[in-house]
Parts: sequence; structure tokens; C-alpha cells
Amino acid sequence: AQSVTQLDSQVPVFEEAPVELRCNYSSSVSVYLFWYVQYPNQGLQLLLKYLSGSTLVESINGFEAEFNKSQTSFHLRKPSVHISDTAEYFCAVSESAGSQGNLIFGKGTKLSVKP
Amino acid sequence: DVKVTQSSRYLVKRTGEKVFLECVQDMDHENMFWYRQDPGLGLRLIYFSYDVKMKEKGDIPEGYSVSREKKERFSLILESASTNQTSMYLCASSWRGNTIYFGEGSWLTVV
Repeated sequence: AQSVTQLDSQVPVFEEAPVELRCNYSSSVSVYLFWYVQYPNQGLQLLLKYLSGSTLVESINGFEAEFNKSQTSFHLRKPSVHISDTAEYFCAVSESAGSQGNLIFGKGTKLSVKP
Repeated sequence: DVKVTQSSRYLVKRTGEKVFLECVQDMDHENMFWYRQDPGLGLRLIYFSYDVKMKEKGDIPEGYSVSREKKERFSLILESASTNQTSMYLCASSWRGNTIYFGEGSWLTVV
């Protein structure tokens, strides 16, 4: 069965510092991997996704994630965070074979960026 | 842009009431989902549907039912609301295993 582990429930950082939000998954088949972001009182928005091809994927606001099959990881990174990046981040996995599109989510990591 | 609309953002209901949460998507997506979000537990799938009148149980279907009479609309029903169903409910849709798009969420408080 699939599962997703986000190792840190909360990550406090100072503005302009680098950040890494960790995500590990388990699955017996090929997977699609996603990072979603949730700002306060809002739904989830897709940040970036890995479906196939290059293992390094990027978002439009400076985040990137690298699919590492041997370590079953999909960690999210940003070299310099802004106050506006404060949000909760969810890693998710979907099986790529015969999938109805259902996602399995991690429990989320709250990123708090301080001035 | 894809739009997933949840008609009620904030609801307060009494224990034992029947509750309907409505969700509409405007992109002709085949798949629709209802998730529940609780602090420290992340998102848990309640039900999903991959076609009109089709439904599949997710991880926590107990106490809930769903209805999908039209492709664009997916309703979550709490037959007899209980206090442990106080939560944030998120509707989502996707096209054949592609990216899932979420609504803004419905905050339900059962008193």
C-alpha cells in the first residue's frame, strides 16, 4: 500500500534563508509525485509535480523538488524564502498505473517564515 | 482556469442533523473527490467518483454518503451529523489521473 511521510510537522526559518521540506513515500509501483501548498483559510494549490522525465522539477515561485527513486524521496527546496511562503505544504503520491487519480497525502509541513 | 466551487464555506449544524455539502466543477472532469482535513492528520479521502452515478469508498467513508447525478456536481452527505465530524471538507476534481484541483474548503462545526 502507498504511504507518504513528511518528516517535519513544522519548519521555522528566517526570511532569505534556504529551506528543505522532506518527503518520503512507499509504493510497489511507479508513482506520480506532487507538492501542494495551502495558504491560511484556503484550499490546496498545486505547487509542482513529477510525472516522468527530468527528476528535477520547478515551480514558478522558486521552489524545486527532486525525485530520487533509490531513496524514495521527493524533497522540496527553496534557496531563499520570503514571508509570503508561509503556508502548509503537502506531499502527495499517486500510482501511475491504472490510477483513478486518487492521491495519498502526507500529514503536511507548516512552513513559518520570520522576518 | 479550473474552478471547483464549494457552495458553503462555513456551516454550523446540530448533532443528528442531515448535512449536504455541494461541490461543482466547470472543467468536465471525470474524477471528483471528497477529502477531510484535520490538524496533524493531513487529508484523508472519504469518497471519490470516476463517473456519473459511480462512487468508490475512500479511507474513511463511515458516517458519510455521496451523490453524483451530474458530471459536474458531487455532493457529500452526512446522514446524522456528529461532533466528531467537525472538520474542514475539501472537494477536488481531476481528469483521468491528472492533476487534482481543489475547492476552497467547507468548514463544518457540529454542536
